[in-house]
Amino acid sequence: GNSVTQMEGPVTLSEEAFLTINCTYTATGYPSLFWYVQYPGEGLQLLLKATKADDKGSNKGFEATYRKETTSFHLEKGSVQVSDSAVYFCALRMDSSYKLIFGSGTRLLVRP
Amino acid sequence: EAQVTQNPRYLITVTGKKLTVTCSQNMNHEYMSWYRQDPGLGLRQIYYSMNVEVTDKGDVPEGYKVSRKEKRNFPLILESPSPNQTSLYFCASSSTSGSRPNEQFFGPGTRLTVL
Repeated sequence: GNSVTQMEGPVTLSEEAFLTINCTYTATGYPSLFWYVQYPGEGLQLLLKATKADDKGSNKGFEATYRKETTSFHLEKGSVQVSDSAVYFCALRMDSSYKLIFGSGTRLLVRP
Repeated sequence: EAQVTQNPRYLITVTGKKLTVTCSQNMNHEYMSWYRQDPGLGLRQIYYSMNVEVTDKGDVPEGYKVSRKEKRNFPLILESPSPNQTSLYFCASSSTSGSRPNEQFFGPGTRLTVL
């Protein structure tokens, strides 16, 4: 079946460091891909998305590129801030459904 | 303000005592869904609804019920809660019109503990 695999956390970085959170997917067909962020005590917020191969989603300094050849959608940010500390979820959605299929989440902790 | 609200935010209960978690959205969305979040498993879909009076099972529906009598509300019912239903629950909603993929909006979550 369709699934999403994320790197295990927690990921601990110093402020202004470069961030990569790996995400790969398995899907029959061509899904839309998403990154959601969950700040402490809050619900999930859409961070960015990409709907087809080679699309790049970007928001708030975060980027991710839909790579069909490697079935990946890695999240990157050039310079993290303490306020980026949160749990990040990679997710996919097939065109035939509204259901989001999530990875297990990666906790990011940014130290001053 | 466009939002999805859930109540209660926190609940501690005992095995077998029926409970309802409410979910309401003010965006006139057709699609609503319930997920549970467990460590190491991410979020998994419990039930969803494509519109009023139309509901269907997700991936982990056992022990749960839902109803969709009004477009804005989608309550989650646990008729006889058990400890394995201790989890963090999220309600989400989305429009089904316009260009895909439509963004799903999530509520703030309900942390349920069943003793």
